[in-house]
Amino acid sequence: QKEVEQNSGPLSVPEGAIASLNCTYSDRGSQSFFWYRQYSGKSPELIMSIYSNGDKEDGRFTAQLNKASQYVSLLIRDSQPSDSATYLCAVRTGTASKLTFGTGTRLQVTL
Amino acid sequence: GAVVSQHPSRVICKSGTSVKIECRSLDFQATTMFWYRQFPKQSLMLMATSNEGSKATYEQGVEKDKFLINHASLTLSTLTVTSAHPEDSSFYICSAHRRGGPPDTQYFGPGTRLTVL
Repeated sequence: QKEVEQNSGPLSVPEGAIASLNCTYSDRGSQSFFWYRQYSGKSPELIMSIYSNGDKEDGRFTAQLNKASQYVSLLIRDSQPSDSATYLCAVRTGTASKLTFGTGTRLQVTL
Repeated sequence: GAVVSQHPSRVICKSGTSVKIECRSLDFQATTMFWYRQFPKQSLMLMATSNEGSKATYEQGVEKDKFLINHASLTLSTLTVTSAHPEDSSFYICSAHRRGGPPDTQYFGPGTRLTVL
């Protein structure tokens, strides 16, 4: 079982719709969770971090964490074509400060 | 802000040569820097973790004698790919953790695309 799992997609949503991206992780002791956006040929850009159960909102983005289910998600409201990218879920696992990344979900927002 | 730069952004070299990539945190002190490699259509793979003034910690399967990491100051880490071969062609990305910043948060540099002929 991979430490951090994401559906590779592509996830296709129409412009203006809500995009829902999901991520599961295997280490029950994980404490820090991140969503990064990566455009093709570019490096990842931090979108959201979340550390406690529940929802965290920042503009059009909402991160949701459920530690009991070992599940973290990212909702993008009012999706725009510029949101089309690969979204990487990252989790701090173990005692080291390093992050483990999922393989990413490719999001396509269609006109 | 938390800006990380990398230099060069793109490099093409001949097989057998060495290439040095610099990673700098421009507006903060980085307690820890990380080096990743990303092959096309794959996720980021951590190569090593670098702490200022100490030896880097390499991930399993990464040759420390081939990928030399130096973390000379709180704002600069370098990765040298020694005796590069075509299979080393990849996108190399560094990230930095800001001293006093949010827990575990990493800020990424723009990446260096290495092509070995």
